[in-house]
Amino acid sequence: QQQVKQSPQSLIVQKGGISIINCAYENTAFDYFPWYQQFPGKGPALLIAIRPDVSEKKEGRFTISFNKSAKQFSLHIMDSQPGDSATYFCAASHTGNQFYFGTGTSLTVIP
Amino acid sequence: DTEVTQTPKHLVMGMTNKKSLKCEQHMGHRAMYWYKQKAKKPPELMFVYSYEKLSINESVPSRFSPECPNSSLLNLHLHALQPEDSALYLCASSQEFPVNTEAFFGQGTRLTVV
Repeated sequence: QQQVKQSPQSLIVQKGGISIINCAYENTAFDYFPWYQQFPGKGPALLIAIRPDVSEKKEGRFTISFNKSAKQFSLHIMDSQPGDSATYFCAASHTGNQFYFGTGTSLTVIP
Repeated sequence: DTEVTQTPKHLVMGMTNKKSLKCEQHMGHRAMYWYKQKAKKPPELMFVYSYEKLSINESVPSRFSPECPNSSLLNLHLHALQPEDSALYLCASSQEFPVNTEAFFGQGTRLTVV
């Protein structure tokens, strides 16, 4: 059973455009929602994370939007750059348990 | 220092070999993890160590044997692996387990079983 559903599976965006990746969850006990960025042959690296007490968090060009009632959260990458081309995983966890990862989104930013 | 160091980066082993993967962190984290990742898939949790004790074993076959010699080191001993065990093996650490804070991942060991 997939605890965190992620879409789209792949995404192609023009340089300078906005990349949007969506995730949905069912377990209302989740209280920590990180996004990881992974380049080929490398380990995942934390990009940005949010807790359910806020609806939005911004760090540079990366923004998480969080909708607690809909049990959805999304990653927005503004002014997307070719260097952003990577696989992005959303995840969720709650105190007492492990991280549950989404299925991943392969982002390609075209110059 | 927010680094998790894994060695070796690449490993090719035969099905009758015994090898070990190593992981090290010096962030004072008390929880360490082994994940397995297949191409184009998310990481799958294998083992969790909390305060040097095994907390979670996700029904991993006994040909994978974890060891936590101290709070900074984590090993994964491999024996009699199958070709389908070829994958990227990731080590991670976090301040505590149960976890709801940042987990730091290493670069991984690319394992090929021939």
